Amino acid sequence: AQTVTQSQPEMSVQEAETVTLSCTYDTSESDYYLFWYKQPPSRQMILVIRQEAYKQQNATENRFSVNFQKAAKSFSLKISDSQLGDAAMYFCAYRGPGGGADGLTFGKGTHLIIQP
Amino acid sequence: DGGITQSPKYLFRKEGQNVTLSCEQNLNHDAMYWYRQDPGQGLRLIYYSQIVNDFQKGDIAEGYSVSREKKESFPLTVTSAQKNPTAFYLCASSARDRAPDTQYFGPGTRLTVL
Repeated sequence: AQTVTQSQPEMSVQEAETVTLSCTYDTSESDYYLFWYKQPPSRQMILVIRQEAYKQQNATENRFSVNFQKAAKSFSLKISDSQLGDAAMYFCAYRGPGGGADGLTFGKGTHLIIQP
Repeated sequence: DGGITQSPKYLFRKEGQNVTLSCEQNLNHDAMYWYRQDPGQGLRLIYYSQIVNDFQKGDIAEGYSVSREKKESFPLTVTSAQKNPTAFYLCASSARDRAPDTQYFGPGTRLTVL
């Protein structure tokens, strides 16, 4: 079974600084998908960024970027110019190749605190 | 507006009762999912459905049941067999015809057993 590990239960960063959240995963598949979701206090799960394993180029969405290291099975999220609205739980998630719409496997999350 | 709705937002249940959580989507997505979230934990998959009238068990299906009679709806029943049902329940959906099948989530239902 696939597992996703987020080793940082909580991270703190000053506003406008850069922070990196770690994620590692275990899989025997070569083709899969990785995601970062944000869960603010409202508890709504919001997609931040996604990465297809067959793509070597790291995904980027505005201030959010990933460092995808396939051989190391590592998928870290970098948030640049941190803003107060970035404060939330961040979850790393994995989806296998499947043949259809399989469920996601989630890590336990990292609580990100933004200090003004 | 397209999206996923879940109702009710808060639900209280007495021990021994079955309750049904509603999930509706108007995104024309084929696939729908139910997840459970406990404090300090990530989401765990309960059931998922790729098409109407078909569904599969996820990692923690015991004590739960689902139906998929319409494309737009995927209700979850928490039965009295579920030993610890107090949790936050999230419904999601995705389109099967577009990679990478990104899942979009509803606002969730908080279930408390009294």
